[in-house]
Amino acid sequence: KQEVTQIPAALSVPEGENLVLNCSFTDSAIYNLQWFRQDPGKGLTSLLLIQSSQREQTSGRLNASLDKSSGRSTLYIAASQPGDSATYLCAVSSNDYKLSFGAGTTVTVRA
Amino acid sequence: GAGVSQSPRYKVAKRGQDVALRCDPISGHVSLFWYQQALGQGPEFLTYFQNEAQLDKSGLPSDRFFAERPEGSVSTLKIQRTQQEDSAVYLCASSSGAGTEAFFGQGTRLTVV
Repeated sequence: KQEVTQIPAALSVPEGENLVLNCSFTDSAIYNLQWFRQDPGKGLTSLLLIQSSQREQTSGRLNASLDKSSGRSTLYIAASQPGDSATYLCAVSSNDYKLSFGAGTTVTVRA
Repeated sequence: GAGVSQSPRYKVAKRGQDVALRCDPISGHVSLFWYQQALGQGPEFLTYFQNEAQLDKSGLPSDRFFAERPEGSVSTLKIQRTQQEDSAVYLCASSSGAGTEAFFGQGTRLTVV
């Protein structure tokens, strides 16, 4: 069974600082990896999808890297803003449909 | 529609009651998923549909849980004889096909009292 771990569980940074969120998974035979954002009481918003053949994916201030062999992905958020405060979830697909999620990293960006 | 829509947003059920949770996926999306999210945890997979076919129901916790998607569009997750441990947020997601980006709804928060 795929196990996904996100460290740290919570993170607080001053506005403007870069964020580094880590995700590790136990089975390197993955189909793809997706990063989501979840605001309190809300559903999940997809941020980035990285296919297993890709090493990284970028969207605006967000950059996600994937190292399958070591079972790791990192989400970088540049120049953080208070609006970036949310829980960030990493999800790994070991086939073409089922996602295995980590417990998330809760980020607080202080103004 | 513009996104995945779920109803109701909140549901309070007395223990032993049956509940039905509805999901309207993004129009044209063939794949539909249900996940269960306990407080402070990541979502856990429940079941997967491709069009009207339920291809994987391995995550359903017990035979009290039943999901259907009879016409390959709207889906309903039914929980019979609800128990306190069923209290969670139930999330529905859809995607345009295998291996593509999944889009989630706002979820239904179920509280069993």
